[in-house]
Amino acid sequence: AQSVTQLDSHVSVSEGTPVLLRCNYSSSYSPSLFWYVQHPNKGLQLLLKYTSAATLVKGINGFEAEFKKSETSFHLTKPSAHMSDAAEYFCVVTFSSGGYQKVTFGTGTKLQVIP
Amino acid sequence: GAGVSQSPRYKVAKRGQDVALRCDPISGHVSLFWYQQALGQGPEFLTYFQNEAQLDKSGLPSDRFFAERPEGSVSTLKIQRTQQEDSAVYLCASSLWGINEQFFGPGTRLTVL
Repeated sequence: AQSVTQLDSHVSVSEGTPVLLRCNYSSSYSPSLFWYVQHPNKGLQLLLKYTSAATLVKGINGFEAEFKKSETSFHLTKPSAHMSDAAEYFCVVTFSSGGYQKVTFGTGTKLQVIP
Repeated sequence: GAGVSQSPRYKVAKRGQDVALRCDPISGHVSLFWYQQALGQGPEFLTYFQNEAQLDKSGLPSDRFFAERPEGSVSTLKIQRTQQEDSAVYLCASSLWGINEQFFGPGTRLTVL
């Protein structure tokens, strides 16, 4: 079984300040973890992924995330928010083995960036 | 190159009508996924294909939902006798193989009146 919890449904930050979007997961296996971003009226886009290599993962647009197995967390961070970062962010946990694939999305965090 | 495309982008159906939603994946992508995204929610997995084989349909909410990918490329999600609770955005995603990185289409917004 696997699940993912995004702890905040809404996060509001001022432009130029750090961003922290929290994600905790639960999995009976060794999962892969992803962050996707969804801008209004646009498709989901991959930000970054963790697949059991380096625990600190760098993604596009200055975002990064750290996989912490002991805390079962995969929080998304960015040092300085930009207006264009305003969007909805989804944490995703996956497991695959042979033909078996399991994909679970979090409920999403809406990021608001205040000028 | 072309991304994942879905058609129609918007569909309004009367309750009880059948609908068919189409997904054109990225050429050469083996894996194809369908998701349902209700308003204010994250996408919920519906079904998964590897080439033409439907390997997992555990997320289909009822037997009114049916998906196919007969030639391992284009896929169609069919909903029979639509109900109001079927109103959602239906997302299609494809990947080269498995679920390493999925490329999503823009979605089809289905409204059932």
